[in-house]
Amino acid sequence: SAVISQKPSRDICQRGTSLTIQCQVDSQVTMMFWYRQQPGQSLTLIATANQGSEATYESGFVIDKFPISRPNLTFSTLTVSNMSPEDSSIYLCSVERLAGSTDTQYFGPGTRLTVL
Amino acid sequence: DAKTTQPPSMDCAEGRAANLPCNHSTISGNEYVYWYRQIHSQGPQYIIHGLKNNETNEMASLIITEDRKSSTLILPHATLRDTAVYYCIAKGTGTASKLTFGTGTRLQVTL
Repeated sequence: SAVISQKPSRDICQRGTSLTIQCQVDSQVTMMFWYRQQPGQSLTLIATANQGSEATYESGFVIDKFPISRPNLTFSTLTVSNMSPEDSSIYLCSVERLAGSTDTQYFGPGTRLTVL
Repeated sequence: DAKTTQPPSMDCAEGRAANLPCNHSTISGNEYVYWYRQIHSQGPQYIIHGLKNNETNEMASLIITEDRKSSTLILPHATLRDTAVYYCIAKGTGTASKLTFGTGTRLQVTL
């Protein structure tokens, strides 16, 4: 399995500000993903973080709102920009070692964000 | 990826087997059945996955019907720490195939 850490684990932010969440894996992985879990809801995929190129966003999510970086095979960041209370959620990163295989996807502990 | 259907909630007495059903009647031949659980807003935890044969690991057993249209996750001796939301997900092996979470089954293990 992969050991995944996220920073910060939680934060309370003011509306209109931005927060960058970091995801660090203990080994090189091919695929990294970012999910959002709104209160009382299931997980929704935001985007796939691609190493060396722009992230691939799912329908309803845009780069201006959720810019993503992936500088290497063990690290990625997600920024939640110009936050509003509706952005209050748990943000989770996940990883998959081998693309397109039956390899298991593992999740980080999540970042709990509250926007006031 | 095929849609899955799970009951919204189930109860199980501690020490008894918890059998969580999942319907995936439109699953295609190259899609695997994955099970994850999420304990109180922590990151989802992988449990088990399978294609068509039954699978067992230290956490659970996965029974997939011969026609692959449904499966059952079995926790052989449920404990209070198994109280969680359990997600059954059908996922292919292509790079375009994503892990898509439904609403899952909320399992409550009681004394």
